[in-house]
Amino acid sequence: LAKITQPISMDSYEGQEVNITCSHNNIATNDYITWYQQFPSQGPRFIIQGYKTKVTNEVASLFIPADRKSSTLSLPRVSLSDTAVYYCLVGEGGGSYIPTFGRGTSLIVHP
Amino acid sequence: SAVISQKPSRDICQRGTSLTIQCQVDSQVTMMFWYRQQPGQSLTLIATANQGSEATYESGFVIDKFPISRPNLTFSTLTVSNMSPEDSSIYLCSVAAASGGGEQFFGPGTRLTVL
Repeated sequence: LAKITQPISMDSYEGQEVNITCSHNNIATNDYITWYQQFPSQGPRFIIQGYKTKVTNEVASLFIPADRKSSTLSLPRVSLSDTAVYYCLVGEGGGSYIPTFGRGTSLIVHP
Repeated sequence: SAVISQKPSRDICQRGTSLTIQCQVDSQVTMMFWYRQQPGQSLTLIATANQGSEATYESGFVIDKFPISRPNLTFSTLTVSNMSPEDSSIYLCSVAAASGGGEQFFGPGTRLTVL
């Protein structure tokens, strides 16, 4: 299983770009990298997923270097509603899928 | 995407009793998982619920304590047996498509308090 490390907490201000990095040194060849957002009293919600290079959707970008041992979630122009816990997850698509969550990064966005 | 409902949403139980949590999905899904999330902590995978066969449990979790059923592709139950206060937690059901890259959809969770 991939060992996942991410910062425990981060602070930012409205309108800023936030980058959260996740380390997964022993990621397997078949593993995908997925990020989730969780608000209090709710289940996690999918944000973005990637395998290598860069992925962008309407809410975030995911940067994955060539060695895939880390990944960076980038949230452009955050707002107060982006205050949440962000989880990095590494798991194999299909087959013997064992989804492993990191500890999560608590992001607080200040006015 | 998939819409997942869980019952009950919360419960307060006495030590030594058992509680069964239901997870219902609005579409057929290949993979279903049960997680536990203790206050302020990350999600810990309990087991993968397999349709028509015994669940696959992660290290530290056993069938006698957390029996799981999955009779079809849209429904699963998790029972927390012989509960103690240490079982107080949020229990989450999630689903994923086997053919995808692992994107999961989560239910709202069941908040369990054991007195």
